[in-house]
Amino acid sequence: KAGVTQTPRYLIKTRGQQVTLSCSPISGHRSVSWYQQTPGQGLQFLFEYFSETQRNKGNFPGRFSGRQFSNSRSEMNVSTLELGDSALYLCASSSSGTGGLNEQYFGPGTRLTVT
Amino acid sequence: GQQVMQIPQYQHVQEGEDFTTYCNSSTTLSNIQWYKQRPGGHPVFLIQLVKSGEVKKQKRLTFQFGEAKKNSSLHITATQTTDVGTYFCAGLSNTGKLIFGQGTTLQVKP
Repeated sequence: KAGVTQTPRYLIKTRGQQVTLSCSPISGHRSVSWYQQTPGQGLQFLFEYFSETQRNKGNFPGRFSGRQFSNSRSEMNVSTLELGDSALYLCASSSSGTGGLNEQYFGPGTRLTVT
Repeated sequence: GQQVMQIPQYQHVQEGEDFTTYCNSSTTLSNIQWYKQRPGGHPVFLIQLVKSGEVKKQKRLTFQFGEAKKNSSLHITATQTTDVGTYFCAGLSNTGKLIFGQGTTLQVKP
């Protein structure tokens, strides 16, 4: 099976702009989670989608949003970018059903730099 | 909020020495998962522990889940240079969120 893919891999944006990141999960996986990874804060959970519904949400401002499509592909959007949004954004898919999250399969990430 | 604390933050060992990283949660966890991230890579799933007091082994790696399901440890026997990376624990809270520890970065001197 193909792994989790994320596009783009690298992105440079200016403060105030918005950005959309894309994630394609492993075939058959219905759960997609997003994480922000920074050297200072580690891996921070953003949100999880399951069957097109946001099942859980982390403690991030409303500028961070996401969605999931019927084919389980997911996008996350960050509006009004701030310098502190520079990070590696990781997407992870899971075969989890309604019982909770099982092992996560991570994609290679999108490296976002905000200048 | 719920937190998972992981110590130590860094560990430098000589090849052949043992290594242990510890995770502690402020609340009871449904399960705990362990991941390894190589430099420049992404986290890769190692194992999941679900039962109180559970112990699992993968070759030189031993994983434990505490009796109260609030703490866990990963022990590597006789480290090798291929063990280099950052090891993360991640606890599944009763709200369904997977909360990652800060990670322990392991350096192994040959």
